[in-house]
Amino acid sequence: DIQMTQSPSTLSASVGDSVTITCRASQSISTWLAWYQQKPGKAPNLLIYKASSLESGVSSRFSGSGSGTEFTLIISSLQPDDFAIYYCQQYNVYPVTFGQGTRLEIK
Amino acid sequence: EVQLVESGGDLVQPGGSLRLSCAASGFSFSNSWMGWVRQAAGKGLEWVANINPGASESYYVDSVKGRFTISRDNAKNTLYLLMNSLRGDDTAVYYCARVGRAAGDFDSWGQGALVTVSS
Repeated sequence: DIQMTQSPSTLSASVGDSVTITCRASQSISTWLAWYQQKPGKAPNLLIYKASSLESGVSSRFSGSGSGTEFTLIISSLQPDDFAIYYCQQYNVYPVTFGQGTRLEIK
Repeated sequence: EVQLVESGGDLVQPGGSLRLSCAASGFSFSNSWMGWVRQAAGKGLEWVANINPGASESYYVDSVKGRFTISRDNAKNTLYLLMNSLRGDDTAVYYCARVGRAAGDFDSWGQGALVTVSS
């Protein structure tokens, strides 16, 4: 199985900051990677698919990049609504696997 | 508007069975890959199973193979997850999700159904 490792596990930032979350795959997944945001008690929400494509309706403050084994999610100009948990997911091969999550907290 | 509504979550004893349903609307269900993802309380997301539009292909995480069965009724726009031989570590919120245009991401999710396995 492909292991997905996110870093950091927790990130503290202030409104207006820009932050970067990294996701590493244990083997190459090309660009078959998605990013999700999840708020407490809610279902995840797709932000980015195919590593860098912005899902319809998602703010352009979110951007994704990377290929192979290393990927990044950048959130610019943090807004209060952005404080949540973020997950990466690979879908290059079955079983589909998720990263362990990155909690973005208000500093 | 895409809507996915799960039902069937319940408290069940270890070794028991349960069937989850997911009613879909607002899109062409019969042309969409679908899946189930679960999340134990305070934990991360775990993919469970996917099924193709014609129900001829299905894929499972190893921990549920032989115990869970994903199926669908395209005439009823409904996705199912039959869970047998349930164990305590199957306790989780189970989300129904539509596979997106990139053929592997999940672009729409239901609200989740809570399955609790306990005596």
